[in-house]
Amino acid sequence: DIQMTQSPSSVSASVGDRVTLTCRASQGIGTWLAWYQRKPGKAPNLLIYAASNLQTGVPSRFSGSGSGTDFTLTINSLQPEDSATYYCLQFNSFPRTFGQGTNVEIK
Amino acid sequence: QVQLVESGGGVVQPGRSLRLSCAASGFPFSSYGMHWVRQAPGKGLEWVAVTWYDGSNKYYADSVKGRFTIFRDNSNNTVSLQMNSLRVEDTAVYYCARDKIGGNWYFNLWGRGTLVTVSS
Repeated sequence: DIQMTQSPSSVSASVGDRVTLTCRASQGIGTWLAWYQRKPGKAPNLLIYAASNLQTGVPSRFSGSGSGTDFTLTINSLQPEDSATYYCLQFNSFPRTFGQGTNVEIK
Repeated sequence: QVQLVESGGGVVQPGRSLRLSCAASGFPFSSYGMHWVRQAPGKGLEWVAVTWYDGSNKYYADSVKGRFTIFRDNSNNTVSLQMNSLRVEDTAVYYCARDKIGGNWYFNLWGRGTLVTVSS
């Protein structure tokens, strides 16, 4: 199984800051990676697919990059509504595996 | 309205069975693969199972293989998860999620989840 490791586990930043989250795969997955935002009591929301493609309707302050084993999700100009847990997902193979999540908190 | 609505959760004793259902609406259900994903209390997301758009392929997480079965009814736009030999560690909110296309991609639509509690 492919293991996905996210870092940091949590981050606290101010409104307007740039925040970078990292996801590392235990083996190469090309660009078969997605990012999700999860708020308490709500279903996960797809942000990025295929490593760098912004899902329709997602604000442009979110961006993704990377390939192979190392990926990043960047939130430019952090907003209060971005407070959430962010998960990466590899869809290179089964079983699908998620990272353990990064909690983003607004200072 | 494009949506997925799960049902069937509840409290069940270890070793017993439970069936979850997910009703889809607002899109051509038979064209999409469907997944189940769960989140245990205080834990992260865990993929559980997938069925291809036509039911021809199914895959499972090792943690549920041999105990859970995913199946779909394209005539009624539903996907179900039959859960047998339940364990305390199966306690979680279970989400159904739609694949981008046939079943081998990521999830681009999620339901709100249904809570399964396995406890004596």
